[in-house]
Amino acid sequence: DAGITQSPRHKVTETGTPVTLRCHQTENHRYMYWYRQDPGHGLRLIHYSYGVKDTDKGEVSDGYSVSRSKTEDFLLTLESATSSQTSVYFCAISAGTDQETQYFGPGTRLLVL
Amino acid sequence: KQEVTQIPAALSVPEGENLVLNCSFTDSAIYNLQWFRQDPGKGLTSLLLIQSSQREQTSGRLNASLDKSSGRSTLYIAASQPGDSATYLCAVYAGTALIFGKGTTLSVSS
Repeated sequence: DAGITQSPRHKVTETGTPVTLRCHQTENHRYMYWYRQDPGHGLRLIHYSYGVKDTDKGEVSDGYSVSRSKTEDFLLTLESATSSQTSVYFCAISAGTDQETQYFGPGTRLLVL
Repeated sequence: KQEVTQIPAALSVPEGENLVLNCSFTDSAIYNLQWFRQDPGKGLTSLLLIQSSQREQTSGRLNASLDKSSGRSTLYIAASQPGDSATYLCAVYAGTALIFGKGTTLSVSS
């Protein structure tokens, strides 16, 4: 949907290692988001971006950083991965006449051992 | 703090039945409400978006309603099919990003 790809799609890493997840979109959408999905918690916002180099924190931003140097790419970095960051990570964009409909990427499954 | 609740958490119905999924939210100051479908191990597919000024939206066999004053939305699925089996998520948008409910997992048996 809406030309969103995420990479990698699956990753296994060890506690304490840095991890970067990439979200790529092809349609010049201004707003991009990172969510995580966990059983019992549903989807929660980590960080979002409203333009190149413009980002802000969401509900569960501790332990995560983001960067957006180009319109098409939004990177999520776990500086030092912990087991509590084992999750499925979804990228999303806002589109439509008033940027109100959100479309999601296929997700990245991250396992931190 | 906005909270979104979906009841029931799971629902099983025979094929052909009409059904209603419920979503409630605690703060009526929303811009819109969006319904999604999620298949196991997959991403989210947007089904319907209702603006805060609208009462309902329809797409094929799906009809979503919104009563902002009471903090409720329903997703009506007509003539259910086994292919409708999935988790349905409701989310409200209040200016920053979506706030999600935990979903209703629907199973339609043939």
